[in-house]
Amino acid sequence: DAGVIQSPRHEVTEMGQEVTLRCKPISGHNSLFWYRQTMMRGLELLIYFNNNVPIDDSGMPEDRFSAKMPNASFSTLKIQPSEPRDSAVYFCASSPSGRGGTQYFGPGTRLLVL
Amino acid sequence: AQSVSQHNHHVILSEAASLELGCNYSYGGTVNLFWYVQYPGQHLQLLLKYFSGDPLVKGIKGFEAEFIKSKFSFNLRKPSVQWSDTAEYFCAVNDGQNFVFGPGTRLSVLP
Repeated sequence: DAGVIQSPRHEVTEMGQEVTLRCKPISGHNSLFWYRQTMMRGLELLIYFNNNVPIDDSGMPEDRFSAKMPNASFSTLKIQPSEPRDSAVYFCASSPSGRGGTQYFGPGTRLLVL
Repeated sequence: AQSVSQHNHHVILSEAASLELGCNYSYGGTVNLFWYVQYPGQHLQLLLKYFSGDPLVKGIKGFEAEFIKSKFSFNLRKPSVQWSDTAEYFCAVNDGQNFVFGPGTRLSVLP
């Protein structure tokens, strides 16, 4: 089992640029989560998908952030335009049984916006 | 809303010392409980979990946790820590509706 796969692992960009983070969940898992981790705010849930449908996006900071899950094996988190305060590690996690199940985390994307 | 608190922000121990990290949650109903570990520069990994049954749960790398329902607690323990246990530890609680992480406790083990 390859686990949750995220790309890129590191991203450095300039303020105002569009950033797209990608996630491939574990095969067979029906739920996917996007988290952001910073020193100041810790681990924050951004959005949760179940069966490819966004269920809870209350954690998405603002309209600059959007997430999609076009199929069961792929999700994207997009920031447009990016700002320096978006610098963080973004984790994707998947679960075999919704919010009730164990979440398995990907390696994360470390984003730096200059 | 469900909340999770972890008693210590940063714990510093010497090798071979015993460890106990506190975790308390606010929800009064049925919960699933988790401890995750994040080694420096790495992602969160599941250490152990409690869904039902024996409230004393054993996880990987010699860790264990005890669910005490009356105290709304799920403390993590290890009898003898190693330098390689240096990491951040997150308690998490799932009440069926929400999966909530605690703020984390940073453990530094001195060689």
